[in-house]
Amino acid sequence: LAKTTQPISMDSYEGQEVNITCSHNNIATNDYITWYQQFPSQGPRFIIQGYKTKVTNEVASLFIPADRKSSTLSLPRVSLSDTAVYYCLVGDGAYSGGGADGLTFGKGTHLIIQP
Amino acid sequence: GAVVSQHPSWVICKSGTSVKIECRSLDFQATTMFWYRQFPKQSLMLMATSNEGSKATYEQGVEKDKFLINHASLTLSTLTVTSAHPEDSSFYICSARDQGQAKETQYFGPGTRLLVL
Repeated sequence: LAKTTQPISMDSYEGQEVNITCSHNNIATNDYITWYQQFPSQGPRFIIQGYKTKVTNEVASLFIPADRKSSTLSLPRVSLSDTAVYYCLVGDGAYSGGGADGLTFGKGTHLIIQP
Repeated sequence: GAVVSQHPSWVICKSGTSVKIECRSLDFQATTMFWYRQFPKQSLMLMATSNEGSKATYEQGVEKDKFLINHASLTLSTLTVTSAHPEDSSFYICSARDQGQAKETQYFGPGTRLLVL
């Protein structure tokens, strides 16, 4: 599994665009990049997934450069309710059976949005 | 979208008692479910993989006799913390795999907060 590195924490203000970058220097050819969001005392929630270039949905955008060694989660016009921990995961999406199919979460980025 | 529920959402028990946590996939069948544990200010740690109709697979360091897992149907997995002690107090979260979905797009339950006194 490719190791990921994210900032431990970030601060921003309501209405701003927030970009969280994740480094994954040893990403494999078949690996996808997936981001989860976790609010306090809740289970993680899938946000977005991509392989290359740009992916956008109703919640966020994911920018992936050509070398795919990093990715950036972009949250447009954040609000107080976007305060959460954001996790970047890298994997090839394939199930192999057994415990290897569980997800490995890093420390994530604790995003704090202020008024 | 796919929904996973957990019950109870929180539980307080005395040391030495056993606690059962249920994980249900509400609108899809899950042949595989996963159990995670999360301590305060830490990330999720995979405890075990629950397979419908077969024995669970436990991660290294997780006692299978203490954390009993049963996956009796395609929509229900249970985690029983036997003889719970204060150090078992944690946030327990399950996730489920929907057939056809990539591994990294699992659906997570809301979690169960366990406090052992």
